[in-house]
Amino acid sequence: DTGVSQDPRHKITKRGQNVTFRCDPISEHNRLYWYRQTLGQGPEFLTYFQNEAQLEKSRLLSDRFSAERPKGSFSTLEIQRTEQGDSAMYLCASSSPWVSGSYEQYFGPGTRLTVT
Amino acid sequence: DQQVKQNSPSLSVQEGRISILNCDYTNSMFDYFLWYKKYPAEGPTFLISISSIKDKNEDGRFTVFLNKSAKHLSLHIVPSQPGDSAVYFCAASARETSGSRLTFGEGTQLTVNP
Repeated sequence: DTGVSQDPRHKITKRGQNVTFRCDPISEHNRLYWYRQTLGQGPEFLTYFQNEAQLEKSRLLSDRFSAERPKGSFSTLEIQRTEQGDSAMYLCASSSPWVSGSYEQYFGPGTRLTVT
Repeated sequence: DQQVKQNSPSLSVQEGRISILNCDYTNSMFDYFLWYKKYPAEGPTFLISISSIKDKNEDGRFTVFLNKSAKHLSLHIVPSQPGDSAVYFCAASARETSGSRLTFGEGTQLTVNP
């Protein structure tokens, strides 16, 4: 399967701990996006990369959040000093409009974070 | 502010009938619209999209209609099947101004009864 993968699928952590999630996009996709989804809501944009450059960050992304895509392939999202309000599904998506000619984003299965 | 809105949290239809899911948007910069389906504990799965230069796009049982003047789009599924039961999200993007990031609606839970 060459779709978007995310690791881990589930993470339970105590308030105040740091967590890091990984996303591996579809291999030829140069754009990578992070979204967050809470119960009963649609996904909300957090940040996106074009190759290794982080081009946009949402105001939702507080200074406790940092994302990287060091070689333009996989990406990591780190949350420092987690709070209970960080509990959500964290989704990664990738796309490559110049290759495919379309703007669809393909999502991974998500990482479910629970902060206790 | 909620730039993409799905006013119906749920919809129930009989197998074989048509399902119509609706979506409204407010941002006139949006020029590309997508529908995603989501099962519990999975990521959203892309279904169908439409550019603002079109008013209809069809793919098998799925058809998306866009009414730009009303800032309204709808997804028609016909015939509906029990396997279509899922949460459906409408999403929109402004391709030239925001890196194609997606703005999602709240979702509509579709239940197709056998």
